[in-house]
Amino acid sequence: EIVMTQSPATLSVSPGERATLSCRASQTVYSNLAWYQQKPGQAPRVLIYGASTRATGIPARFSGSGSGTEFTLTITSLQSEDFAVYFCQQYNSWPRTFGQGTKVEIK
Amino acid sequence: QVQLVQSGAEVKKPGASVKVSCKASGYTFTDFPMHWVRQAPGQRLEWMGWLNVVDAKTKYSQNFQGRVTITRDTSATTAYMELSSLRSEDTAVYYCAREVPAAPTYFYYMDVWGKGTTVTVSS
Repeated sequence: EIVMTQSPATLSVSPGERATLSCRASQTVYSNLAWYQQKPGQAPRVLIYGASTRATGIPARFSGSGSGTEFTLTITSLQSEDFAVYFCQQYNSWPRTFGQGTKVEIK
Repeated sequence: QVQLVQSGAEVKKPGASVKVSCKASGYTFTDFPMHWVRQAPGQRLEWMGWLNVVDAKTKYSQNFQGRVTITRDTSATTAYMELSSLRSEDTAVYYCAREVPAAPTYFYYMDVWGKGTTVTVSS
């Protein structure tokens, strides 16, 4: 099973600033990685798939990069609606596995 | 628009079973597979299983040791997840999620999720 590890656990950022979130896989997942945003009481929403492709309707301030075992989600100019939990997920192999999440909170 | 509407919250006693439904609309149900994922309080998302909606073939997480069964009713455009021999650790929010191609690759990712069904296991 591929273990996904995210860092940091919590990121305190001021509105308008940049947030950089990391995700590491215990073995290569190539570019078969997605990023999701989850707000309290809501279903996860896909932001990025293929490590760097924005899903339909996702603003350009969200970008993903990386391949193999190291991945980054960058949110430029954080908006109030971006404060949430973000998690990564690999879909390269079974079982599908998720990171433990990074909470982006208001500084 | 694409929607996955899940059944309501459940409270079950240890040892019982629960069956959660996920009704799909806004797309052709048989075009895409379906996953089930759960999230226990304070825990990361945990993948439970996958359903090929066309032929009902399934893949399951070994973590559930034969306790989970995923089925579908194509005429009702609904997928189901049944979890048996419930224990307190199964208290969680259960999600269904559609799987779509991550073009241009042959891999698939989860794009649309249901709002979740809270299952509470308590004596």
